[in-house]
Amino acid sequence: SAVISQKPSRDICQRGTSLTIQCQVDSQVTMMFWYRQQPGQSLTLIATANQGSEATYESGFVIDKFPISRPNLTFSTLTVSNLSPEDSSIYLCSVEGQWNTEAFFGQGTRLTVV
Amino acid sequence: AQSVTQPDIHITVSEGASLELRCNYSYGATPYLFWYVQSPGQGLQLLLKYFSGDTLVQGIKGFEAEFKRSQSSFNLRKPSVHWSDAAEYFCAVGPNQAGTALIFGKGTTLSVSS
Repeated sequence: SAVISQKPSRDICQRGTSLTIQCQVDSQVTMMFWYRQQPGQSLTLIATANQGSEATYESGFVIDKFPISRPNLTFSTLTVSNLSPEDSSIYLCSVEGQWNTEAFFGQGTRLTVV
Repeated sequence: AQSVTQPDIHITVSEGASLELRCNYSYGATPYLFWYVQSPGQGLQLLLKYFSGDTLVQGIKGFEAEFKRSQSSFNLRKPSVHWSDAAEYFCAVGPNQAGTALIFGKGTTLSVSS
């Protein structure tokens, strides 16, 4: 199994600012995934972060708005830039288990933009 | 296109009664199937998963799920619901391929009445 520490757990930010979310895993993983969960909605994949290469973004998500860093095999950050109230969501990082047998999730970051 | 459908947005069950949460998937090949639970303010916890073999899988907290290929379904069941089971339940599908994120259904909110 993998233990994921995600910070911060919650934050309230002013519109126009940015928030950087950190995700630390207790073991080395190839892929890390970032999801967004809007209020009352399911999880939507934002991007896949592979160490040593640019993140791959899903349709509707762009690097300028959601820049991702992946400096090593245990850490990643997601920045949500130029915040607007529509960005108020829970953001979760995830890693897969061995042989893609399970996905492990951080506790999530609850972002409120005011 | 790959997708997961959870037809029931919200279900209320009396404590001690049985529970069935529905999940249908659309996938080109035999997928990996998962059920996750999310309690308020918590991350996602894996309840159970199906890869192959016995189509009835047992999970944690007394949950089970049955894979029915002919119906493209993976319904979650519990014979006797406890008040602590009140949460959001997500069905997810994943490919038999490492490095690929899961696709989630929209979730079913379970309320338990006394």
